[in-house]
Amino acid sequence: AQSVTQPDIHITVSEGASLELRCNYSYGATPYLFWYVQSPGQGLQLLLKYFSGDTLVQGIKGFEAEFKRSQSSFNLRKPSVHWSDAAEYFCAVATLNTGNQFYFGTGTSLTVIP
Amino acid sequence: DVKVTQSSRYLVKRTGEKVFLECVQDMDHENMFWYRQDPGLGLRLIYFSYDVKMKEKGDIPEGYSVSREKKERFSLILESASTNQTSMYLCASSSIGLGTGELFFGEGSRLTVL
Repeated sequence: AQSVTQPDIHITVSEGASLELRCNYSYGATPYLFWYVQSPGQGLQLLLKYFSGDTLVQGIKGFEAEFKRSQSSFNLRKPSVHWSDAAEYFCAVATLNTGNQFYFGTGTSLTVIP
Repeated sequence: DVKVTQSSRYLVKRTGEKVFLECVQDMDHENMFWYRQDPGLGLRLIYFSYDVKMKEKGDIPEGYSVSREKKERFSLILESASTNQTSMYLCASSSIGLGTGELFFGEGSRLTVL
């Protein structure tokens, strides 16, 4: 069965520091991979997605992620965190069958300190 | 601007009441989804639909039903609300092809069952 693991429940970083959020997936074929962000009290917004091609993908708000097939990982990175980046981040994997089911990780909560 | 609209942001209901959560999308998407979000558990799929009048069970369908009479509208129904259904409910939609697809989310409906 497909699964997505985000091993870090909560991360705290200082404003201006770099950030890496981890995501590992379990899926037999080439996955479609996504990172979403959720601000408090809001729905989820897409940060970036990987379907094929270049394994380093750029997203909105200065985020990027790298697909590493050998490690079954799709880690999210940002070189310099801003206070407005404080939010919940979700990694997701999608399947190709009818209905296009998405499987989500349990999320990583990011706190940014001044 | 594309949009998924959930009719109620906050609801308070009593145990045993019938609850309707409505979701409308304006993107002519074939696929629509209902998720439940709980702290530490991430997003769990309740039901999804890939066409009018079609529905498929997700991972946690017990205690819920859905209705999709029109392409743009997907309703989640709690026939007899219970306290363990207190949660954030998120509606999402996507186009049929994953090659162009991503999930678009509504802002969520926070349900409290007393």
